[in-house]
Amino acid sequence: DTGVSQNPRHKITKRGQNVTFRCDPISEHNRLYWYRQTLGQGPEFLTYFQNEAQLEKSRLLSDRFSAERPKGSFSTLEIQRTEQGDSAMYLCASSLATLYEQYFGPGTRLTVT
Amino acid sequence: AQSVTQLDSQVPVFEEAPVELRCNYSSSVSVYLFWYVQYPNQGLQLLLKYLSGSTLVKGINGFEAEFNKSQTSFHLRKPSVHISDTAEYFCAVSDTRRSNTGKLIFGQGTTLQVKP
Repeated sequence: DTGVSQNPRHKITKRGQNVTFRCDPISEHNRLYWYRQTLGQGPEFLTYFQNEAQLEKSRLLSDRFSAERPKGSFSTLEIQRTEQGDSAMYLCASSLATLYEQYFGPGTRLTVT
Repeated sequence: AQSVTQLDSQVPVFEEAPVELRCNYSSSVSVYLFWYVQYPNQGLQLLLKYLSGSTLVKGINGFEAEFNKSQTSFHLRKPSVHISDTAEYFCAVSDTRRSNTGKLIFGQGTTLQVKP
């Protein structure tokens, strides 16, 4: 069990650029979640996958955000035309449908300048 | 919909003293309850969870929490803290219904500052 991994750990981009983050969940976990955490706040839910199906999206996930989980393995989160308000820590978590605890990755910190 | 309120944004405490971090929740349905810890520049680690059964749950690193349904609270306690407990602590809830996705609703966090 190597845990949940996320890449890159840090990303600095200029406003208007597109960015993509990757999450590799624990191998047997069929549920995958993305959260966003801004400074001094708790994580906020963005989206959820069960296997390859995206089953829930938060209204926080504007049209500029898209997430995929091809073949139910790793997941990517893309932000198009980044804005300064997108600066945050993006956290990925995975779990088994039969369990209730989620295992979190170290996060990707995005800074939009 | 659910919401979580952590009543203290910062809790300073001396090493070896007891500590309580307070959490209240609001929900129209039954919930599962969790406490997570976040060390600087790291992801979240599960401390403990309440799913059902005994209202007193024990977790890792000597932490425990008590579920109080009538007060809709899930306070976290430790009888004697260490410097290494300095971190951000998050209370979270999840809807128990089978149709639920399991997403977590988090509180704003409490910074525990342990002083020597």
